[in-house]
Amino acid sequence: AQSVTQLDSQVPVFEEAPVELRCNYSSSVSVYLFWYVQYPNQGLQLLLKYLSGSTLVKGINGFEAEFNKSQTSFHLRKPSVHISDTAEYFCAVTGDTGRRALTFGSGTRLQVQP
Amino acid sequence: DVKVTQSSRYLVKRTGEKVFLECVQDMDHENMFWYRQDPGLGLRLIYFSYDVKMKEKGDIPEGYSVSREKKERFSLILESASTNQTSMYLCASSHLGLAGETQYFGPGTRLLVL
Repeated sequence: AQSVTQLDSQVPVFEEAPVELRCNYSSSVSVYLFWYVQYPNQGLQLLLKYLSGSTLVKGINGFEAEFNKSQTSFHLRKPSVHISDTAEYFCAVTGDTGRRALTFGSGTRLQVQP
Repeated sequence: DVKVTQSSRYLVKRTGEKVFLECVQDMDHENMFWYRQDPGLGLRLIYFSYDVKMKEKGDIPEGYSVSREKKERFSLILESASTNQTSMYLCASSHLGLAGETQYFGPGTRLLVL
């Protein structure tokens, strides 16, 4: 069984400041890790994903995440946020065997203030 | 451009009614999913399908059923709607391939059961 923990339900930050959204997972098999973003009144959109190889993954809109197997973490970072980054962010995991559906964390609401 | 559409953005139904939520994808994807999104709980898998007429229960299938008669269409059915099924419902699709395939989401249907 897999599970995902997003440690912060809300993260307020000022515009142009750096931000880190934390994600920890547990799984008994090899994992694939994802970050999705949901803008207000929209569906989810893929930001980035880790499948294998380099542990630093770059995504859209200047976001990046680092896979840390020993700490079972996949934290999302952006060096300088914009007002338009205000959204809810979901970390998700799926294993390399069994069902293809994603297991999601509870989400982190990023609130960027001017 | 990939597209997943859902039949309604907003729906209001009465307790005991039978409710149909429709999802259509135009990407020739084998996998289709129904998730339920609730504040503080993230997204939870209701049902998924990896082929026409095939379905698998997710984590919270009680009170729901699904139908997949054509590859591009996946329907979620609430046999007798209850107030605790008031929620946001998200449909997604992906290629069958490897477990790391990206899931593409529709805009969601916000259902209110009175």
